Amino acid sequence: DGGITQSPKYLFRKEGQNVTLSCEQNLNHDAMYWYRQDPGQGLRLIYYSQIVNDFQKGDIAEGYSVSREKKESFPLTVTSAQKNPTAFYLCASSILGTGGAEAFFGQGTRLTVV
Amino acid sequence: AQTVTQSQPEMSVQEAETVTLSCTYDTSESDYYLFWYKQPPSRQMILVIRQEAYKQQNATENRFSVNFQKAAKSFSLKISDSQLGDAAMYFCAYRINRDDKIIFGKGTRLHILP
Repeated sequence: DGGITQSPKYLFRKEGQNVTLSCEQNLNHDAMYWYRQDPGQGLRLIYYSQIVNDFQKGDIAEGYSVSREKKESFPLTVTSAQKNPTAFYLCASSILGTGGAEAFFGQGTRLTVV
Repeated sequence: AQTVTQSQPEMSVQEAETVTLSCTYDTSESDYYLFWYKQPPSRQMILVIRQEAYKQQNATENRFSVNFQKAAKSFSLKISDSQLGDAAMYFCAYRINRDDKIIFGKGTRLHILP
């Protein structure tokens, strides 16, 4: 079945440690996105990518990094520079260039930093 | 700045009644699409309906319809014959065709009263 897989579902890390969230899709989509969801804040765009080896900052990129070495994969690293990393993270993918293409979402990763 | 505003953090509606969720957006782009997504307690994001900005006709999907007022940059969602399964967070979003960026609002939590 085609879809987007985020892993793990729950992640616990100690403060000061970097952590990488996985996102893999087999939908052959060019565009991939990372969002952060906090209560009352909706979905805020962290990074997005339209093509391999290229990505753009979203509205809250500080303290995060991404890579896009393969079309299928768009991992997000939450660095120790991120002041408040505890949140729910959603990855999405979409077709490029057809305008109006919906984004398909993974199940999300709940990150808790203690 | 590109923003999406959902002014109703929470709403309640009696089962079988009609409810309207409001959304306004701010963009200088002329080529974009608008979306409503639903996020049930499972947190899986589900597309409800989409609207092409260059089309004046309002989109409809079964019990869901929109009122798109382009000049006012307004994009409200009407749910008719509300059902218990409609209880969820609803997010308004738009996609800029020029760079595939997708921006979301803060969401409206909808409660369905039996």
